Amino acid sequence: DAKTTQPTSMDCAEGRAANLPCNHSTISGNEYVYWYRQIHSQGPQYIIHGLKNNETNEMASLIITEDRKSSTLILPHATLRDTAVYYCIVSRGSYIPTFGRGTSLIVHP
Amino acid sequence: ETGVTQTPRHLVMGMTNKKSLKCEQHLGHNAMYWYKQSAKKPLELMFVYSLEERVENNSVPSRFSPECPNSSHLFLHLHTLQPEDSALYLCASSPGGQGASGYTFGSGTRLTVV
Repeated sequence: DAKTTQPTSMDCAEGRAANLPCNHSTISGNEYVYWYRQIHSQGPQYIIHGLKNNETNEMASLIITEDRKSSTLILPHATLRDTAVYYCIVSRGSYIPTFGRGTSLIVHP
Repeated sequence: ETGVTQTPRHLVMGMTNKKSLKCEQHLGHNAMYWYKQSAKKPLELMFVYSLEERVENNSVPSRFSPECPNSSHLFLHLHTLQPEDSALYLCASSPGGQGASGYTFGSGTRLTVV
């Protein structure tokens, strides 16, 4: 599976959009981009995934660049409960060997 | 509740004990996974079961022994563990297959080996 690069930490004001970037320049054609988040001491929570097209669900939007070498997860109106570690993972969808370090997002009042 | 239930939530065991962790899902998923998360380390895959057959074990020490009696249940049997095995052990399930939806994780078992 391709490797991803994410900033170690970010912060965002409550009510504003949180834009979390991810670089995956070695992604191959059959690999998907997955996003998960993990709130302290809980199991990770699946957020969204995509292959080529932008995706949106009730939790977030995923924007994938045309060359698929990077993506951005957008939380449109961040709340304090969105404070978590966010993982960007590239996978063919069979299994994920490791979740990496992710981005620690802190949403402040 | 996520649909994946892990028991117990917390476990303290001695190095000579034998214990088992249990995971149960009723989401109709075909694949189940054990992950380990040590303090300040990334989440790492231990075992994968797809359609009840073990397909990946990732060179985990033999003191960890998985068992998957059916597609809804997964166990992790523990024996003669070391203090460095203290960690959060997470179970997950997924529909399986390429491009499938993401994993559903349980809340984990916090294991302390004394």
